[in-house]
Amino acid sequence: AQSVTQPDIHITVSEGASLELRCNYSYGATPYLFWYVQSPGQGLQLLLKYFSGDTLVQGIKGFEAEFKRSQSSFNLRKPSVHWSDAAEYFCVFMDSNYQLIWGAGTKLIIKP
Amino acid sequence: GAGVSQSPSNKVTEKGKDVELRCDPISGHTALYWYRQRLGQGLEFLIYFQGNSAPDKSGLPSDRFSAERTGESVSTLTIQRTQQEDSAVYLCASSWGVGGYADTQYFGPGTRLTVL
Repeated sequence: AQSVTQPDIHITVSEGASLELRCNYSYGATPYLFWYVQSPGQGLQLLLKYFSGDTLVQGIKGFEAEFKRSQSSFNLRKPSVHWSDAAEYFCVFMDSNYQLIWGAGTKLIIKP
Repeated sequence: GAGVSQSPSNKVTEKGKDVELRCDPISGHTALYWYRQRLGQGLEFLIYFQGNSAPDKSGLPSDRFSAERTGESVSTLTIQRTQQEDSAVYLCASSWGVGGYADTQYFGPGTRLTVL
């Protein structure tokens, strides 16, 4: 079955530290992949997306993600987090019917 | 601002009652999506409208759920005979519609539905 998994329900990092949020997908072909962020009071916002080409994708707010076919992963990274990055992050996969399948989300908590 | 708006922001209803949720997409966006987000979970796709094409209703969980869209503007999601398991945040998104589901979707703030 096609699915996307975010193994970490929540992650706590110190402000200024680096961040990596994990995402794994299950699909037989090259997928379309997205990362969305959901901040309190701000709704969902697209951070970045991968369709093809360069496997390292740059997004907004200093985020990047790397598509690794061999690991079926699309992990989100940021070299130095800010308190304003505290939010919930969703990895999203587009299936063969062009519908978006959402991971359960990872809540990011920032320690001062 | 010209973002996606949804109303009401919160709705509390009794089991068995019907509810209607409204979404105003970004002007000019031909595509409109409805999702459901249960507590602690990701989004579940419900329905997709694209221009004048027949909507993709494949995500609607039961025949109690229906949605309409007037042209390329307002959409309403109706849930009949609400059940407690319908309690969730209902999110609407819109996009330009040129890339199908691959379009960047812009989300509204959601309607939080609580069924008592």
